[in-house]
Amino acid sequence: AAGVIQSPRHLIKEKRETATLKCYPIPRHDTVYWYQQGPGQDPQFLISFYEKMQSDKGSIPDRFSAQQFSDYHSELNMSSLELGDSALYFCATLGGGGYTFGSGTRLTVV
Amino acid sequence: GQQLNQSPQSMFIQEGEDVSMNCTSSSIFNTWLWYKQDPGEGPVLLIALYKAGELTSNGRLTAQFGITRKDSFLNISASIPSDVGIYFCAGRSGNTGKLIFGQGTTLQVKP
Repeated sequence: AAGVIQSPRHLIKEKRETATLKCYPIPRHDTVYWYQQGPGQDPQFLISFYEKMQSDKGSIPDRFSAQQFSDYHSELNMSSLELGDSALYFCATLGGGGYTFGSGTRLTVV
Repeated sequence: GQQLNQSPQSMFIQEGEDVSMNCTSSSIFNTWLWYKQDPGEGPVLLIALYKAGELTSNGRLTAQFGITRKDSFLNISASIPSDVGIYFCAGRSGNTGKLIFGQGTTLQVKP
């Protein structure tokens, strides 16, 4: 069965650089949620989209932005990266079968 | 903001033992979910609960949605080594569907 695809799986960036993370939902899943999970931490909600419109916003820094495209995939753009941004970023999509999580992107800022 | 309190924080048990963990909240949730997460991976759904009082099983796993809608528990029976991992509860409230996660329970199983 198709799952939620995230790319890249791993990413290493230097401080002050930018990064773009992508999330491809399961077909017919129109809602995407982004979460940030620091080492040893529980996932924290960042932002969500429904039908290409932002539907909710959590603890997302102003340096981050996101959008959902016409094919329902979503991108999380991160600028002026800081060491503290190092984390696992995963997206979840919601459809008729409930929530499905991607495997995440491991971002390391050095 | 909303918070989930998950306990215990960690457990170290013998293979074959039963395990129980729970989550409580000061807020009401309309959905409770239990996930397992392996290192470096996203959470994998174990059980979803949608109605207060609901008791649902998935193999050796059993979870219940508390009557007050402010708590849930997960039981794992006859644990095996592959049960090792971090277990998270998550609650959903409101209309946007965002999930609030508990702090996680790290389970270690000794063969």
